[in-house]
Amino acid sequence: NAGVTQTPKFRILKIGQSMTLQCTQDMNHNYMYWYRQDPGMGLKLIYYSVGAGITDKGEVPNGYNVSRSTTEDFPLRLELAAPSQTSVYFCASSYPWVGGSSGANVLTFGAGSRLTVL
Amino acid sequence: KNEVEQSPQNLTAQEGEFITINCSYSVGISALHWLQQHPGGGIVSLFMLSSGKKKHGRLIATINIQEKHSSLHITASHPRDSAVYICAVRSPNTGNQFYFGTGTSLTVIP
Repeated sequence: NAGVTQTPKFRILKIGQSMTLQCTQDMNHNYMYWYRQDPGMGLKLIYYSVGAGITDKGEVPNGYNVSRSTTEDFPLRLELAAPSQTSVYFCASSYPWVGGSSGANVLTFGAGSRLTVL
Repeated sequence: KNEVEQSPQNLTAQEGEFITINCSYSVGISALHWLQQHPGGGIVSLFMLSSGKKKHGRLIATINIQEKHSSLHITASHPRDSAVYICAVRSPNTGNQFYFGTGTSLTVIP
């Protein structure tokens, strides 16, 4: 199993450019998440999805858009990149909570995408 | 105030020492996760707890639901344990979203 695959691993953007971070999971997880990680800060939720066709904003959604057309894919789009979007981005996925100590409840992360906006 | 607080923020230990990292949370939870992130690396799940204690090799995680507190212990620490350890909780009150601590940066010196 590949788990959660994110691309690209690194990207440098100029201010105002747009790009899409790709995220694919092969575990048939219903829930998918996009987080950003800034130095000294905890992971902040950008957007999440509880299933194909359903997305919702997290804590820091401004400047980003998502779509979930399939169970496997959850791309994150940056429109009009700004220096404040310089960060490391992580995609993650999980099943809905099934109770107890089931391994199905584990949150699985992608390897991360380091984005710099200059 | 963060929903999840960790201490200490930074920790330096000599190889072989016993290490404890603490996590306190303020929300109701379905489960608590301990995650590990090596420098420049991805994030991997070490433990998921909803009660009691779990042990994997030299790592032990405990949780006290009544006190809303968890600890991660590393016995006989080794330089390869050097990483950031992140506490995360899954909350049933907010659509099963996860809340994360800011992490504890551990350096184990040979």
